[in-house]
Amino acid sequence: GAVVSQHPSWVICKSGTSVKIECRSLDFQATTMFWYRQFPKQSLMLMATSNEGSKATYEQGVEKDKFLINHASLTLSTLTVTSAHPEDSSFYICSARPDREVYGYTFGSGTRLTVV
Amino acid sequence: AQKVTQAQTEISVVEKEDVTLDCVYETRDTTYYLFWYKQPPSGELVFLIRRNSFDEQNEISGRYSWNFQKSTSSFNFTITASQVVDSAVYFCALRANQAGTALIFGKGTTLSVSS
Repeated sequence: GAVVSQHPSWVICKSGTSVKIECRSLDFQATTMFWYRQFPKQSLMLMATSNEGSKATYEQGVEKDKFLINHASLTLSTLTVTSAHPEDSSFYICSARPDREVYGYTFGSGTRLTVV
Repeated sequence: AQKVTQAQTEISVVEKEDVTLDCVYETRDTTYYLFWYKQPPSGELVFLIRRNSFDEQNEISGRYSWNFQKSTSSFNFTITASQVVDSAVYFCALRANQAGTALIFGKGTTLSVSS
C-alpha cells in the first residue's frame, strides 16, 4: 500500500516551453504532497508543500510563477515548469503523506527533466 | 531550525567489510522523526527506516542496523558484510512532529562497494 506514481519518468523539452509533471497517490488520499528538486550528486531540496484545495507554500528562493503547483484533488498534484531554461534541468521528486499515516511518507520515482 | 548533517560525502569499501554511515541532526523539537533512505542509480528513494525521538532502542534488520543516540543527536547506520548491491547514495532525513511538514534531508553519503 501507499504507492505514489510520478509521471513522466523523464522528459526532454526545448527552452521556453512548459512541462507538467504529475504525482498521483494510487491507493490512499494525500491531503499534503511535497515537491523536491535534486541536482546531480546533491541532496533533495524541498521546493514546495502543496495542500489539496489551497495554494502551495513555496520555500524561500523558489519562484512560484515558474514552478506552478496544483493540488486539485486528494490523489493528484502537478508541478508545471513554465518557460523552462537549461538551468531548470534537474531531477524532480514528489512525496505524499497518507492521511492515516502519522509519520510515513511515500516518494514517487522521480522525473528527470532536461531542457535543451 | 532543523538540520541534518552527513559529514561523509563518499565511502568506498570492499565487499564483506562493515561500514557505518554517520548522521547528526539538529532540532529544537522534543518530538521528531528520523529516517534513512537509499537512492540507487535509478533515482527512486527506497525507505529503510523511521524512528521517533522517544524510541532510542537500536534496531537491526538483516545486515542493516541503526544506532540512535539522543545525547549526541546522532542516528548512525551500519551495513554489515557489505555487498555490491549496497552501492547507492544514502540519505538521512528529519521531520518535525507538526502535521504536514516535509522531510529535511542531509546531503547524502555515496557508498561504493567493490568486489
